[in-house]
Amino acid sequence: AQSVTQLDSHVSVSEGTPVLLRCNYSSSYSPSLFWYVQHPNKGLQLLLKYTSAATLVKGINGFEAEFKKSETSFHLTKPSAHMSDAAEYFCVVSGRDSTGGFKTIFGAGTRLFVKA
Amino acid sequence: GAVVSQHPSWVICKSGTSVKIECRSLDFQATTMFWYRQFPKQSLMLMATSNEGSKATYEQGVEKDKFLINHASLTLSTLTVTSAHPEDSSFYICSARGGEQYFGPGTRLTVT
Repeated sequence: AQSVTQLDSHVSVSEGTPVLLRCNYSSSYSPSLFWYVQHPNKGLQLLLKYTSAATLVKGINGFEAEFKKSETSFHLTKPSAHMSDAAEYFCVVSGRDSTGGFKTIFGAGTRLFVKA
Repeated sequence: GAVVSQHPSWVICKSGTSVKIECRSLDFQATTMFWYRQFPKQSLMLMATSNEGSKATYEQGVEKDKFLINHASLTLSTLTVTSAHPEDSSFYICSARGGEQYFGPGTRLTVT
């Protein structure tokens, strides 16, 4: 079975400091992993995705994530936070499950607060 | 890139009425479409998966007679919330898969 755990329900950083949003996953098969951002009352925006190519994935707005199979982690980072980064972030795992069906599972989300 | 649209973007209805939400893949054919529900300050929860021309597969705890899903073509899926009640008020997001998976902008349903 697939699952995804976002280790922090909320993270608070100061503007200009690094951001780290943590995500661990579980999957029986080689999964695809994604990070999405959702601003208040808005839809989802894809930040980046890992699909078994390079383990360090660069996304939009300066975000990147590293796939570490040994740690089953896919943490999201950004060197310098901007006020506009304040939003909800979802780690997502996607792939075939044991029945052969295709499933996409969302983590619980991490709310990022950015202080001036 | 591929675009998924939803209509309406928001809807208010009275308790006991039914509401239909449309999900369209605008520039690709979606063999599979998914419906998610998101309550305030919570994550997205998968409600059901539908393949074109076949019955939807519902997740555990989702009432299939209450949330009717139709996927009649490769570019259109509809979700009908029947006999809506205030507890059905939520943000409903569809997703379409044609190779990659793309998400719609969501529909906010408020039942009064």
